[in-house]
Amino acid sequence: DAGITQSPRHKVTETGTPVTLRCHQTENHRYMYWYRQDPGHGLRLIHYSYGVKDTDKGEVSDGYSVSRSKTEDFLLTLESATSSQTSVYFCAINDGEGTYSGYTFGSGTRLTVV
Amino acid sequence: DAKTTQPPSMDCAEGRAANLPCNHSTISGNEYVYWYRQIHSQGPQYIIHGLKNNETNEMASLIITEDRKSSTLILPHATLRDTAVYYCIVRVAGNNNDMRFGAGTRLTVKP
Repeated sequence: DAGITQSPRHKVTETGTPVTLRCHQTENHRYMYWYRQDPGHGLRLIHYSYGVKDTDKGEVSDGYSVSRSKTEDFLLTLESATSSQTSVYFCAINDGEGTYSGYTFGSGTRLTVV
Repeated sequence: DAKTTQPPSMDCAEGRAANLPCNHSTISGNEYVYWYRQIHSQGPQYIIHGLKNNETNEMASLIITEDRKSSTLILPHATLRDTAVYYCIVRVAGNNNDMRFGAGTRLTVKP
C-alpha cells in the first residue's frame, strides 16, 4: 500500500528465537498500530503508538514488545517466538486528525513459528 | 465503542447492487460508522464513513437510518473484484487508540 510498507513479507522462524517485524511509513502520520489476524478471531490489536517513544498496549499484547524511535518506523518484537504467535501481522497508520481518522493498512507479514 | 452485528455471508450477482446491512443499536451520539473491506490476504481497505447523513464516494454509498441504529453499505454495481470481507465498525472519531474489527460479512460476487 502506498505510504506504508512492512518487512519481511514472509518469515519462518523456530520456537524460542527472537523476531522483529518492521513497519515503515512515508506519510508522517502520528499513529501507528500492529494487528494480528487469525482464523476465527479477525483482526486484533497488539500495540499502538501515538508518537515517537509513546506506545500502549492493545488487547493481545502479551509476548510482544514495540518500539518507535522515529516517526516513520514502528517495530514489533517477539522476544521468544511461540507457535501460538504464528499469524498474519498487519501494520496500520492514522493521522488522527479530524473526523476521518481512518486507517491505512500495510500488506501484512506472514509469520510461521515452527 | 458500540458493537455491531453483520450477517456472516452474502452473495450478489455481478453487475447488481450489493446491499450490506449492519446493526449498531447501541451506538452513541458521537460515534461514527466506518466501513472497511479486506480482499483475500490483503490488509483492510477503508471504504467510507458517516455520522448521520448518507454519504457517497467513488466506491460506495452509506445509508444510515434516522435513529442511527443500523446502516447499509451499497456497492452500486458489484464486480468480481468486490468479493471480500466487509467490516462495519462504530467508534468515536478522534478516539485513535483502536479500531476494533469484528467478523464482518463475507460478500461473494458471482458471475
